[in-house]
Amino acid sequence: NAGVMQNPRHLVRRRGQEARLRCSPMKGHSHVYWYRQLPEEGLKFMVYLQKENIIDESGMPKERFSAEFPKEGPSILRIQQVVRGDSAAYFCASSPTYHEQYFGPGTRLTVT
Amino acid sequence: TQLLEQSPQFLSIQEGENLTVYCNSSSVFSSLQWYRQEPGEGPVLLVTVVTGGEVKKLKRLTFQFGDARKDSSLHITAAQPGDTGLYLCTSRGGSEKLVFGKGTKLTVNP
Repeated sequence: NAGVMQNPRHLVRRRGQEARLRCSPMKGHSHVYWYRQLPEEGLKFMVYLQKENIIDESGMPKERFSAEFPKEGPSILRIQQVVRGDSAAYFCASSPTYHEQYFGPGTRLTVT
Repeated sequence: TQLLEQSPQFLSIQEGENLTVYCNSSSVFSSLQWYRQEPGEGPVLLVTVVTGGEVKKLKRLTFQFGDARKDSSLHITAAQPGDTGLYLCTSRGGSEKLVFGKGTKLTVNP
């Protein structure tokens, strides 16, 4: 059973560009979570999605950030007009129901 | 919002030594998970504890959940270089999102 997959693993964007981060949950998992990790910081919750629904986006900045988990395909975290402060590691986790969350390897975003 | 404090923040020891790291909360945990994260990778789930006073063992790792469910500890016996990593405790913060401590960064020197 393949684990949570994220791509790309590394992403470099210039200020003002858009970043798209993809997450494919584990087979059978319908819950997806996105977290952000800054250097020397713990992981911070951003958003929790189920298929076609955003359940909790309380940790996501109101502007420039959006997330989706369509009926078919991976979950997407999109950051528009990136700024240097968006540079971080972004992790996706999945779970089948109310259960432990399993993390992907992350996408390291660098904004130049 | 539940706050998780982990200590120590950094720990550097020699191979073969024992160590304990701690996780404390301002409020009662419903459940608590420990993860280990290696550089450049995502966190890997080690254990979930639910019941106050619970003790779980995973090879050389012993996890303890406080009786009042407000604290937890992770004890590693005879540490090895492969134990090097960031140890994170986490609990649910409502709506199934996880709230993380900042972690303990462990370095085991050969």
